[in-house]
Amino acid sequence: NAGVTQTPKFQVLKTGQSMTLQCAQDMNHNSMYWYRQDPGMGLRLIYYSASEGTTDKGEVPNGYNVSRLNKREFSLRLESAAPSQTSVYFCASSEALGRTYNEQFFGPGTRLTVL
Amino acid sequence: AQSVTQLDSHVSVSEGTPVLLRCNYSSSYSPSLFWYVQHPNKGLQLLLKYTSAATLVKGINGFEAEFKKSETSFHLTKPSAHMSDAAEYFCVVSDLTNDYKLSFGAGTTVTVRA
Repeated sequence: NAGVTQTPKFQVLKTGQSMTLQCAQDMNHNSMYWYRQDPGMGLRLIYYSASEGTTDKGEVPNGYNVSRLNKREFSLRLESAAPSQTSVYFCASSEALGRTYNEQFFGPGTRLTVL
Repeated sequence: AQSVTQLDSHVSVSEGTPVLLRCNYSSSYSPSLFWYVQHPNKGLQLLLKYTSAATLVKGINGFEAEFKKSETSFHLTKPSAHMSDAAEYFCVVSDLTNDYKLSFGAGTTVTVRA
């Protein structure tokens, strides 16, 4: 099992450009998540999908959109990138949101720089 | 609302000495608690999780954590640090009020001196 995979690993954008970060999991998990990691702030939830066909905003959704393409795949789109979106982005999955002790499994991350 | 405070942003230890990473949490309900580790330029890996079966939780690589409800703490310890323990560690809480979504602490960076 590959677990959670993310593409690309690195990306440099200019302000105003758009891009989509891809995420896929092969653990048959129902729930998927996108986080951003900034120094000294831990991970913050951008968007999540509790199950196929549903998406919801997290703590910091502004400037992002998501698509739950199917049960395996969950993409994050930046429509018009800004320097404030320079960060490391992590995708994660879990069996089902709402269950206690439900650990999340993380991908390797995408390091995004917006100039 | 749930939240986590990691009391040390950076901890430096000598190889072979004990490691203590401190975490206090805030939760209105019975929380789920986790410690994750992130090695440089890697994703996050689960070290251990509190499942209410026992207050002392053993994890991978010799780490353990003790849940103390009276002190609202979930400190992470290891008796003897290895060079490979150099990483960033996150204390994480979830509970029913937030549908068990995770709330992360700011992280503690561990440096191990030879």
